[in-house]
Amino acid sequence: NAGVTQTPKFQVLKTGQSMTLQCAQDMNHNSMYWYRQDPGMGLRLIYYSASEGTTDKGEVPNGYNVSRLNKREFSLRLESAAPSQTSVYFCASSEKFLSDYNEQFFGPGTRLTVL
Amino acid sequence: DAKTTQPPSMDCAEGRAANLPCNHSTISGNEYVYWYRQIHSQGPQYIIHGLKNNETNEMASLIITEDRKSSTLILPHATLRDTAVYYCIVTLIIFGKGTRLHILP
Repeated sequence: NAGVTQTPKFQVLKTGQSMTLQCAQDMNHNSMYWYRQDPGMGLRLIYYSASEGTTDKGEVPNGYNVSRLNKREFSLRLESAAPSQTSVYFCASSEKFLSDYNEQFFGPGTRLTVL
Repeated sequence: DAKTTQPPSMDCAEGRAANLPCNHSTISGNEYVYWYRQIHSQGPQYIIHGLKNNETNEMASLIITEDRKSSTLILPHATLRDTAVYYCIVTLIIFGKGTRLHILP
């Protein structure tokens, strides 16, 4: 099992460009998450999908959109990239959402630079 | 949402036990305590979790106080590979800044 995979691993954009970050999991998990991590900071939740067909905003959703394409895939889109979106983006998945016991599995991250 | 408080950094000599504290005074009765670690800029990795009882696995031990308001992660024999940021969380979507653990040779 590959676990959680993310593409691309690195990306450089110019201000105003758009792009989609892809995430897939092969653990048959119901819930998926997108986080961003700025230098020296913890992870902040951008969007999450508690189950297939649902998406909800997290702590820092502005400037992003998401699509839960199917149970395996959860994409994050930047419509008009800004330098403030320079960050490392992590996708994660879990069997259930915020249940009593619920371990999250993380992908390797996408390092995005917006010039 | 319950949140946690951790020291920003700690040092530990290689081969000694590393004891990482965490305060979670607002934890509710059915919330688990989870510990993750992040090595370099990799994705966070699950270490251990617990509800009320102390827990041990091949990586670490977790000691939770009787009132559940604090816990300690113990790495029994720290190695240089344990150098990482350690996150204590009780609400799975809320990560703080964690504790940066430096293992000293």
